[in-house]
Amino acid sequence: EVQLLESGGDLVQPGGSLRLSCAASGFSFGSHAMSWVRQAPGKGLEWVSGIGGSGDSTHYADSVKGRFTISRDNSKNTLYVQINSLRAEDTAVYYCARDGGYLVDTGRLDSWGQGSLVTVSS
Amino acid sequence: QSALTQPASVSGSPGQSITISCTGTSSDVGSYNLVSWYQQHPGKAPKLMIYEATKRPSGISNRFSGSKSGNVASLTISGLQAEDEADYYCSSYASSTTYVFGTGTKVTVL
Repeated sequence: EVQLLESGGDLVQPGGSLRLSCAASGFSFGSHAMSWVRQAPGKGLEWVSGIGGSGDSTHYADSVKGRFTISRDNSKNTLYVQINSLRAEDTAVYYCARDGGYLVDTGRLDSWGQGSLVTVSS
Repeated sequence: QSALTQPASVSGSPGQSITISCTGTSSDVGSYNLVSWYQQHPGKAPKLMIYEATKRPSGISNRFSGSKSGNVASLTISGLQAEDEADYYCSSYASSTTYVFGTGTKVTVL
């Protein structure tokens, strides 16, 4: 059974930094691209970032480019996102999701974690 | 990259069929058959319902079907059931911006 478990969400002051983790199990982690998707309170889904199976290719939404860094450790079956210069509008539940293929180009996210809440407030 | 456009809400009675539209552009929905649909119940993670515009993952009821024509994709739920009440999001591969989601549709079972 595919399992994705996010951690690292917290209350952070504006301008601060945070690293979210997503521990994966139940599948060949390195064979799948992965993405981060966020959802602000009461709002819709927003794709944030994706990374290919080897970690060589990374992609970002314009809204987070330059502040977010996605990475993965295939030896630990873990996905990460480093978030810097946090803003109030970054407040959201952050989901990690498995892509249907090796690259971030299948258009389908077939398994999701339960989410990790990031709150940016002073 | 702007979000794909969906109606804010759609409703129907049990047993009826409803259709949710998802309007994109020639840069996303119109250029690729890589449209997916997700169901999200309150407080839960999204769940993949349709991928590649028309395909159902294993375990998804055949009451859910997808289609696409030009820049518009659609999700149809037939034989509407109380458990189908949820938010639904479309998404599309969009090349340079990779993935883009729709604005979301709240489905209410009357």
